Amino acid sequence: EDQVTQSPEALRLQEGESSSLNCSYTVSGLRGLFWYRQDPGKGPEFLFTLYSAGEEKEKERLKATLTKKESFLHITAPKPEDSATYLCAVQEYSGYALNFGKGTSLLVTP
Amino acid sequence: KAGVTQTPRYLIKTRGQQVTLSCSPISGHRSVSWYQQTPGQGLQFLFEYFSETQRNKGNFPGRFSGRQFSNSRSEMNVSTLELGDSALYLCASSPGQLSNQPQHFGDGTRLSIL
Repeated sequence: EDQVTQSPEALRLQEGESSSLNCSYTVSGLRGLFWYRQDPGKGPEFLFTLYSAGEEKEKERLKATLTKKESFLHITAPKPEDSATYLCAVQEYSGYALNFGKGTSLLVTP
Repeated sequence: KAGVTQTPRYLIKTRGQQVTLSCSPISGHRSVSWYQQTPGQGLQFLFEYFSETQRNKGNFPGRFSGRQFSNSRSEMNVSTLELGDSALYLCASSPGQLSNQPQHFGDGTRLSIL
């Protein structure tokens, strides 16, 4: 059973068209939820960590939010350089592993 | 500050061989984790080391092993390679004292099994 589910699998946006990516999770005890960005041929690049429901983090055009069951990555007025795969991962109290979702592949066209 | 360095970047092996991959963490980071990334399964956790001790292990067969040295550099070994081991192997490091500190990834080693 998947612990982390991301939707949609793929998203195509026009430049400037805001949207949100979803990450729903099922864990017994959440230590932290992490967002990463991955470009082709590269390793994941860390974006945000969220620790508790209600927490929000922002960086440039990205804003991450967290509830008890899901997290959203809001992308405001995206640019073509925001095109990448966005990965969500959760870490449980019981260990050190990150459990990743399958990712959302975002394409922003001019 | 230099990031996580993985070598080699690409590797081609045949079934039955063994392979060793290397990872140098960010300076000062003492925790190193390894992940396997495939198109079908995504990123899956292999194991994590801190101060030369394995603290956590994922659900992979015993053919997959790792170790960490006193300078925090890490290696992973895969023996008796199978076609299904073709994947991108990613190493990540974190300071390590607190388990919820973000992990920073290298660009991986692309392993192809013929």
